[in-house]
Amino acid sequence: DQQVKQNSPSLSVQEGRISILNCDYTNSMFDYFLWYKKYPAEGPTFLISISSIKDKNEDGRFTVFLNKSAKHLSLHIVPSQPGDSAVYFCAAMNYGGSQGNLIFGKGTKLSVKP
Amino acid sequence: ETGVTQSPTHLIKTRGQQVTLRCSSQSGHNTVSWYQQALGQGPQFIFQYYREEENGRGNFPPRFSGLQFPNYSSELNVNALELDDSALYLCASSLVGHQNTEAFFGQGTRLTVV
Repeated sequence: DQQVKQNSPSLSVQEGRISILNCDYTNSMFDYFLWYKKYPAEGPTFLISISSIKDKNEDGRFTVFLNKSAKHLSLHIVPSQPGDSAVYFCAAMNYGGSQGNLIFGKGTKLSVKP
Repeated sequence: ETGVTQSPTHLIKTRGQQVTLRCSSQSGHNTVSWYQQALGQGPQFIFQYYREEENGRGNFPPRFSGLQFPNYSSELNVNALELDDSALYLCASSLVGHQNTEAFFGQGTRLTVV
C-alpha cells in the first residue's frame, strides 16, 4: 500500500519550458513534504520542502505547491535546464513522529532536452 | 563542513553471509537513518538512530540491525543475506529538533547478493 505515489515514471521537456512533477499521498497525518533529486551513482540531494501549513514555497527556479484537500503536491521547474535531468523523488513525513522517517514515492525521471 | 560518507561504495556477498555497511554523518548532525532502495523503487526506511538508540523502524526483519556511535557515525548490519537484499543502501543524517528537517544523504552502498 503506497502512501506516496508518483504516477508518472518519466517526463520529457524542452529546455526553457516548464517541468511539472506530480505527487499524491494518502496519509492525512503527513505534515511535511520534500523533493529530492537524484543523479546516477549519487545519493538523493534535497531540493525544496513545504510544511502543511503553507500551500506554496518558492526557491529560485523551483516552486512546490501543496493542495491538502486533494492530498496532492507538485514541483514546478521554470525554466528547465539540461542539468535538471535526473530522477525526482517526492517524500513525506509526520513531523511529530520519528524525524528522518521519510516515505518516498517511486520517482519520476525528468529529461530536459536542449 | 563534511557531508555524509558511506563505505564501501560497492560490494558483492554470497547468500547466507553477513554484511556491515558504514556511514559517517554530516558534521553537527545527531540522527542517522538508513534506507534501502531496490531497482526502480524509491528509498524505503529501515530504521533511525538517535543518541545511540534505535528511534523508529520500518517494515524490515530483525536480521537488519544497526549501531550508532558517540561520534554519530553508524553501521548497518544484515545477517543471513538473501538475494532480495540486493539494493542500494542509503544513509541519511539530520538534526533532531532543528526547524529544517531535511535529511542529507550519502552516495550509497550498492550491495549485490549472489
